[in-house]
Amino acid sequence: GAVVSQHPSRVICKSGTSVKIECRSLDFQATTMFWYRQFPKQSLMLMATSNEGSKATYEQGVEKDKFLINHASLTLSTLTVTSAHPEDSSFYICSAPLTSGSKEQYFGPGTRLTVT
Amino acid sequence: AQRVTQPEKLLSVFKGAPVELKCNYSYSGSPELFWYVQYSRQRLQLLLRHISRESIKGFTADLNKGETSFHLKKPFAQEEDSAMYYCALSRGGSNYKLTFGKGTLLTVNP
Repeated sequence: GAVVSQHPSRVICKSGTSVKIECRSLDFQATTMFWYRQFPKQSLMLMATSNEGSKATYEQGVEKDKFLINHASLTLSTLTVTSAHPEDSSFYICSAPLTSGSKEQYFGPGTRLTVT
Repeated sequence: AQRVTQPEKLLSVFKGAPVELKCNYSYSGSPELFWYVQYSRQRLQLLLRHISRESIKGFTADLNKGETSFHLKKPFAQEEDSAMYYCALSRGGSNYKLTFGKGTLLTVNP
């Protein structure tokens, strides 16, 4: 099946610094990728839709200047949390549909971000 | 806006017993419904979708538009079914976005 990877799996950063999370589709091309945030014991909340070659589409309430998304190629999307604060600590998950038009999404393993 | 409700946070059954994980949704259009599963220490993966109407690992789910429900059922639960189950909704058409319920943690006891 299709594989989506994320790097790093776990990161700790200091308050005020920026951290980049990568999402890669390993064996397929993804013109669209999604970024989710999951709080402890809660559901996945869609943050933004990453579009290859164009600007990301952010969900209501998500600060685009704080969560920078770059979809530079058909296999890579990055999420940069800028000027991180402890409240940004969370589990970030990306996903991608296998083909354009497919509703079935393949998920990455997630990245645990801790801001101290 | 669409919403997905999974009323049970936790569900515990014994092996061999029937199991039903409830999912209700609110959306004025024609949604597509999915069940995703997350086994311990693994990533989220698709279990089934209403359009395909197939049975995966013995699980089935029927979309009931009258009751706006998409409950997940299995007649005889197995220990390996223990996992977190998420119901999700897509608005249909070319819209890929998924709205997830809060999930139900299923535990199947021996």
